[in-house]
Amino acid sequence: EAGVAQSPRYKIIEKRQSVAFWCNPISGHATLYWYQQILGQGPKLLIQFQNNGVVDDSQLPKDRFSAERLKGVDSTLKIQPAKLEDSAVYLCASSFGGRRTGELFFGEGSRLTVL
Amino acid sequence: AQSVTQLGSHVSVSEGALVLLRCNYSSSVPPYLFWYVQYPNQGLQLLLKYTTGATLVKGINGFEAEFKKSETSFHLTKPSAHMSDAAEYFCAVSRSQNFVFGPGTRLSVLP
Repeated sequence: EAGVAQSPRYKIIEKRQSVAFWCNPISGHATLYWYQQILGQGPKLLIQFQNNGVVDDSQLPKDRFSAERLKGVDSTLKIQPAKLEDSAVYLCASSFGGRRTGELFFGEGSRLTVL
Repeated sequence: AQSVTQLGSHVSVSEGALVLLRCNYSSSVPPYLFWYVQYPNQGLQLLLKYTTGATLVKGINGFEAEFKKSETSFHLTKPSAHMSDAAEYFCAVSRSQNFVFGPGTRLSVLP
């Protein structure tokens, strides 16, 4: 079974530029998450989707970050314009969803460096 | 609101020694608890999870954890450390698909 796919693995941009990350979850997983992991810290939830609807985006900096999950499958996370403090690994995760809490399956992450 | 604390951002043990990584949580409802491991430049992988039932949970690679409700703890242990166990370990609490991660503990294994 294929895992969670993310691209690109690495991206270097200058501040005020834009960047987009893509995630394809495990087939059949209804719930998709984007986490931000700053060096030396635990993952912090940015946004959670259930199918193509947003469940929680309370910690998403909406002035610069946006995310969508069209058709309830793959998802993109965009940052525009980027700031130095956005340098982090952006992790995508998916789960079956539904009433019971199951485990999260993570992709390898997209490492962003903002210069 | 749920939260997780992990005592010790960095733990060093000798190869063959006991591994003990501490996790305490707060949750207004009975939580589900998880331990994840992260190797360099990789995503997080599930080690073990507690949902209901037996409070001593066994996971992969010889790790286990015990849920202690009275202490609000879910400490991770392994009887004998291997060099390959060197990684970052994250405790997480969840309810209704909402996951909160701790800050992580970096485990170093010394030869």
